[in-house]
Amino acid sequence: DTEVTQTPKHLVMGMTNKKSLKCEQHMGHRAMYWYKQKAKKPPELMFVYSYEKLSINESVPSRFSPECPNSSLLNLHLHALQPEDSALYLCASSQGPLAGGPVNEQFFGPGTRLTVL
Amino acid sequence: GENVEQHPSTLSVQEGDSAVIKCTYSDSASNYFPWYKQELGKRPQLIIDIRSNVGEKKDQRIAVTLNKTAKHFSLHITETQPEDSAVYFCAATPNSGYSTLTFGKGTMLLVSP
Repeated sequence: DTEVTQTPKHLVMGMTNKKSLKCEQHMGHRAMYWYKQKAKKPPELMFVYSYEKLSINESVPSRFSPECPNSSLLNLHLHALQPEDSALYLCASSQGPLAGGPVNEQFFGPGTRLTVL
Repeated sequence: GENVEQHPSTLSVQEGDSAVIKCTYSDSASNYFPWYKQELGKRPQLIIDIRSNVGEKKDQRIAVTLNKTAKHFSLHITETQPEDSAVYFCAATPNSGYSTLTFGKGTMLLVSP
């Protein structure tokens, strides 16, 4: 399996709802990422997990809560979102950091298009 | 932190022409430079990348050049086809152990038949 998968493809939620986005990869990658992409803009990094531990949080509001249950899965829990949080949420994975090794390419999932009403 | 500038923001060419997209970066520690193609409603897909120990890399109709001294890198697409129409993003990252990519703002390439 050489793909990153994401569910759901589309999600509509109200500002009081709680929902979760899911990401899965079976390429043996040990680094996983969440990005947010607004229309006609580049992806913006939100979180990085390395070996199932949160390594980077790019000052993301606490209404976004990431979770990495195991090396293949990455979740993003959503609560009390705002309409401006509507965007395409992309998950990506890469082989992960190796001591002194080169940075490896990231592979993106198809994304979840989120609409907050 | 890293800052990546990308030009032009839109590029229209005729089928068969060449297209060139240019990016500059600010962090001299950056040494990995991927290019992604994103079609409308699709995921970003890596099309080519280059590392700082290489000046040029080619894959069929696509090539990337890197000038570390000037801190700029470029994507060259030859013999463009309508299916090349998409948004192209350049990115840069230092070899910190994580691919914390900083993306350029993107170039919308339109290839007319």
